[in-house]
Amino acid sequence: LAKTTQPISMDSYEGQEVNITCSHNNIATNDYITWYQQFPSQGPRFIIQGYKTKVTNEVASLFIPADRKSSTLSLPRVSLSDTAVYYCLVGGSGGGADGLTFGKGTHLIIQP
Amino acid sequence: GAGVSQSPRYKVAKRGQDVALRCDPISGHVSLFWYQQALGQGPEFLTYFQNEAQLDKSGLPSDRFFAERPEGSVSTLKIQRTQQEDSAVYLCASSAARGETYNEQFFGPGTRLTVL
Repeated sequence: LAKTTQPISMDSYEGQEVNITCSHNNIATNDYITWYQQFPSQGPRFIIQGYKTKVTNEVASLFIPADRKSSTLSLPRVSLSDTAVYYCLVGGSGGGADGLTFGKGTHLIIQP
Repeated sequence: GAGVSQSPRYKVAKRGQDVALRCDPISGHVSLFWYQQALGQGPEFLTYFQNEAQLDKSGLPSDRFFAERPEGSVSTLKIQRTQQEDSAVYLCASSAARGETYNEQFFGPGTRLTVL
């Protein structure tokens, strides 16, 4: 079971680019890396997923180095509404619940 | 309804009471997941269904917790003889994927259970 480590909290300002890094040293060959965002009183929302190199969508980018032992979620030009908890999940390729460990996440606070 | 819905949104129970929490997944979604989220913590996996089959229940904390999805759509999480430590938000999620649990999950708003 791949364990992830993320910073507990981060601060930034509107308009800045924010990078949140997740460490997953024992990621398995077939594991995927998935990021979710959660606002207070809501369920998590899928942001992005990747296996290797770089993935980009309309919301974020995900950078994964060749050794896949870490990944970085990049949020361009953040706004106040990006204040939320961000979770990094690793696994799931084997079915079952192995990729469904959310951990405590990173509390991102965006200031004006 | 385009999203996952859960009912009730809030539930207060006296210790020892039984409760039933309902989840309506997105129509056609094969997989359904239940999570428990304590205050200040991330969601913790409870159980997982593929259609009506419960494929993984390794996260259920005790035999007081029981989940079902008899027709492969709506699911109910039942907690018997509730205890104060059961107080949490219970989240339901569904996914169109069959088998690969890493695929995108769509979460409901959760049911906040408070046990007095």
